[in-house]
Formats: sequence, C-alpha cells, structure tokens
Amino acid sequence: QVQLVQSGAEVKKPGASVKVSCKASGYTFTGYYMHWVRQAPGQGLEWMGWINPNSGGTNYAQKFQGRVTMTRDTSISTAYMELSRLRSDDTAVYYCARDRVAVAGILSYWGQGTLVTVSS
Amino acid sequence: DIQMTQSPSSLSASVGDRVTITCRASQSISSYLNWYQQKPGKAPKLLIYAASSLQSGVPSRFSGSGSGTDFTLTISSLQPEDFATYYCQQSYSTPYFGPGTKVDIK
Repeated sequence: QVQLVQSGAEVKKPGASVKVSCKASGYTFTGYYMHWVRQAPGQGLEWMGWINPNSGGTNYAQKFQGRVTMTRDTSISTAYMELSRLRSDDTAVYYCARDRVAVAGILSYWGQGTLVTVSS
Repeated sequence: DIQMTQSPSSLSASVGDRVTITCRASQSISSYLNWYQQKPGKAPKLLIYAASSLQSGVPSRFSGSGSGTDFTLTISSLQPEDFATYYCQQSYSTPYFGPGTKVDIK
C-alpha cells in the first residue's frame, strides 16, 4: 500500500533553514509528482509546489519562489522540501502529498505531516 | 491566479441531515475541482476528484457536482464521523485550495 512517512518535528530560529523529508513506499516513486502543502495553526491549506521525481523538475508557488527548494533522491524514494530564511509565520505543519495519476494536481495520498516551529 | 471561495465558512448540522457546501472559482476551471476532508490533527483526505468522481473507499453518501465556476459537495445523510473541515481545490492550474468549510454538531 502507498505510504508517505515524513521526518520529525523541528524547532528553528528565525533566519534559519529547515529541510523536511518524505519517504515513499508501495509504488514506483518516479511515476507520480509529489506536492508539498502547509497549514499554519488554525488556518487552511496552502499549496507550496511540486517536484517531478523522475526528472527533478519543480514548480513553486509564487509566494515561496526564492525561499523553497524541492529535491529528491530516487535511490531511497525520498522527496525533500527545504525552506530558507524562516520567519515566525512559517510555523506550520508541512505535508507531502502524492498525485493521484502521474501529474494531475489531485492529492490522493498524504504524509502524516511535520510540525515546523519558528521561534527565537 | 485563480481564486477559490467556499460557502458557508461554517455550518452546524445534525446526524442524518443533508449537507451542501459550495465552492466557486474566479474563472472557469472546467471540471478540475477536488474535495478534501480534514479532521483535527490529521492529514487531509481526498473525497472527490474531477468534480464528481468518488475516490476509492469513500462512502457513497458523498457526492460532487458542477463545472465551470460553481461546484457543490453534498453529504446525503451526515454521519458522526463526517464532522470535519472540507476544502475544495482546483487542479486546472496552480492547485490552490479554498478557505474551508467547518461542519460541526448542532
């Protein structure tokens, strides 16, 4: 069965960077785009971008351009999301989510989420 | 960018009620509209994709309709496990989400 297992909670200081991992299993990792979505406390869902695990190509939401980097390691079926120059309003749960079919923007499988807290 | 709105932002309902949530896009998105359910402390769950297709394993009391700019999610008979927040999301272009609709117990 498809599983996405994310890395554990992080506490970072303003200005630092954070890198969250998402290990996939139960399917062909390179066959489906991986998206990243975040949710600030008590707020809605915010799409951050996607990565094509096959080519490494990426598409980022304009809001995060220049601060986010999505990468992957196909040898271990793991996707990564790194966010730099962290601010307090980056405090959120970060989710990875696999597309339903190749690339369609339909997020059918989700990781358990990783809480990132930004605090001085 | 295509903006998504939802109404109502929250609603109170009883078990057995028929519940309808509306989602509107700022421009036509054909049928590229998906619905998710999220319970507190949990990851979202895909319910409906392509406006009206039921995701595998999702109960048939959930249904979706619409095309163009106006869409609805209907729960035909609300069950205790359906109290949650529901989000629409367009997949026509940059996959932004709507602001959500919280369904709680009356």
